[in-house]
Amino acid sequence: ELKVEQNPLFLSMQEGKNYTIYCNYSTTSDRLYWYRQDPGKSLESLFVLLSNGAVKQEGRLMASLDTKARLSTLHITAAVHDLSATYFCAVVGNSGGSNYKLTFGKGTLLTVNP
Amino acid sequence: GAGVSQSPSNKVTEKGKDVELRCDPISGHTALYWYRQSLGQGLEFLIYFQGNSAPDKSGLPSDRFSAERTGGSVSTLTIQRTQQEDSAVYLCASSVSSGGTQYFGPGTRLTVL
Repeated sequence: ELKVEQNPLFLSMQEGKNYTIYCNYSTTSDRLYWYRQDPGKSLESLFVLLSNGAVKQEGRLMASLDTKARLSTLHITAAVHDLSATYFCAVVGNSGGSNYKLTFGKGTLLTVNP
Repeated sequence: GAGVSQSPSNKVTEKGKDVELRCDPISGHTALYWYRQSLGQGLEFLIYFQGNSAPDKSGLPSDRFSAERTGGSVSTLTIQRTQQEDSAVYLCASSVSSGGTQYFGPGTRLTVL
């Protein structure tokens, strides 16, 4: 059974600082996604990472994937208040033909303080 | 439409009543998914449709839950004899094809009293 662990679950940081959210998963995977969720809102797709060594960047967020370590990171550079949200990683397993089922981490609640 | 839409946005019901939740996927998306988000369990997969067929219903928590999809478009998730533990946000997502990036709707918040 595919398991996805994120840490930290809660992250309070000051504007201007850098930090990294980690996502570990337990079995080989085809794809890894990062989603953002604002309070009371739905999930917004941020990144999809398809291969070992993949790196994607959008603004102050950069995501990377190490398939050998089964680890993805979401790095936040010079945080601003608008980045406050819950961030989820989600992994698609590649066993049994289920290349569509997303298994989510518990999410990281990020609060950026002035 | 521009995105996945779901209705109603909020539903309050009494224990034992049946409820129907609706999802309109992005036009042209052949794959449709239902997930449930609750404080205790996080985000859980419920069911996957490819066209009108549901090849994977493995996440449905009990036989009180069922879903259908018609015309390769709209899907309805039905919960019979609702229980308090069914209270959650039910999210629908769609993708161009199986395995593509899933785009989520705003969800239906279900509260069972």
